Amino acid sequence: NAGVTQTPKFQVLKTGQSMTLQCAQDMNHEYMSWYRQDPGMGLRLIHYSVGAGITDQGEVPNGYNVSRSTTEDFPLRLLSAAPSQTSVYFCASSYSSPWRSYNSPLHFGNGTRLTVT
Amino acid sequence: GENVEQHPSTLSVQEGDSAVIKCTYSDSASNYFPWYKQELGKRPQLIIDIRSNVGEKKDQRIAVTLNKTAKHFSLHITETQPEDSAVYFCAAIKAAGNKLTFGGGTRVLVKP
Repeated sequence: NAGVTQTPKFQVLKTGQSMTLQCAQDMNHEYMSWYRQDPGMGLRLIHYSVGAGITDQGEVPNGYNVSRSTTEDFPLRLLSAAPSQTSVYFCASSYSSPWRSYNSPLHFGNGTRLTVT
Repeated sequence: GENVEQHPSTLSVQEGDSAVIKCTYSDSASNYFPWYKQELGKRPQLIIDIRSNVGEKKDQRIAVTLNKTAKHFSLHITETQPEDSAVYFCAAIKAAGNKLTFGGGTRVLVKP
């Protein structure tokens, strides 16, 4: 199993550009999520999905869109990049909701470091 | 929504000493509290967790305690070793919830 795969690893965007961060998992996990990591602010939830066709907003959803057309994939779209979106982005998945995942913790990808100039 | 505060933000300890990280949460409905460790340049990984029906849980050199009345939980690392140097995150989620809320992180440095 590859686990959670994120691409690209690094990306530089100009303000106003759009792009999609890819996330795929091969563990048949129902729950998938996107976090951003900023110094001193921990990991903040952007969007999450509890299954194919179902998505919902997290703590900081503005400026981001997601879709979940398959169980395996959960792409994150930046509609019009802003310098405030400079961050490290992590995709994470688990067998079911983190609350239920007593024996199935969140599995994180390796992260995407995004810089917006 | 839930708010999780984590202290201290940085912690430097001598090898062999103990380290304690404390988190407080705001939502009394939260009942699952995992801890994640992130080594430099790597992904966060679960190291220990606790549910609200348990007051303490131990796994070798690490332990977590929970005080539901005060709404705080703590991570204890004993006999620290250089490989314990990392950023540690606490988190909380409520029953039937789907949003895992993380604290701001604690950077632990173990000096040899």
